[in-house]
Amino acid sequence: NAGVTQTPKFRILKIGQSMTLQCAQDMNHNYMYWYRQDPGMGLKLIYYSVGAGITDKGEVPNGYNVSRSTTEDFPLRLELAAPSQTSVYFCASSYRGQGNNSPLHFGNGTRLTVT
Amino acid sequence: QKEVEQNSGPLSVPEGAIASLNCTYSDRVSQSFFWYRQYSGKSPELIMSIYSNGDKEDGRFTAQLNKASQYVSLLIRDSQPSDSATYLCAVTGSARQLTFGSGTQLTVLP
Repeated sequence: NAGVTQTPKFRILKIGQSMTLQCAQDMNHNYMYWYRQDPGMGLKLIYYSVGAGITDKGEVPNGYNVSRSTTEDFPLRLELAAPSQTSVYFCASSYRGQGNNSPLHFGNGTRLTVT
Repeated sequence: QKEVEQNSGPLSVPEGAIASLNCTYSDRVSQSFFWYRQYSGKSPELIMSIYSNGDKEDGRFTAQLNKASQYVSLLIRDSQPSDSATYLCAVTGSARQLTFGSGTQLTVLP
């Protein structure tokens, strides 16, 4: 049982480049989330999804896009990388929505540097 | 802007002592409260959740909630070096989304 799998673990991008952060979960969770964590800071919600075909913006969505074509996968797309997007990105999933007694299961994170 | 604030730390306690971690929140309609532990370079993991005023105990961990004061805390009894980590307070507010605090770094000294 792999849980939540994120790839890649590390990536260095040049300003203006694009990339997709991959996230997959094998727990049949409907809810999936993308967070970013800047040094010494808490987690900020970028986008979330309550099921296949349904996505919505979180607190800091600018510069990112997501899709949810299947229950398992929730990729995060950066179209024009900027230094402000240097961060650690965590994908998470949960059985029920936030606020219910349903813990978030996190992936191991992707450390992204934009130079 | 709904906020979750934690005591800035870092917090150091000797092995065997009680570590006290505090969190305040601004959204009065918040209903769900969580403590996540994050080891350096790792992802967060849930260690406690609490929904009602009062105390909730789980092993060496006790979460305390006071909705009138908009305050939630985490006590770690008999602290161990393996408890050294950053502890993140998270609160679900009126938008039913989790808001995380910036975390308190705890070091337990052998």
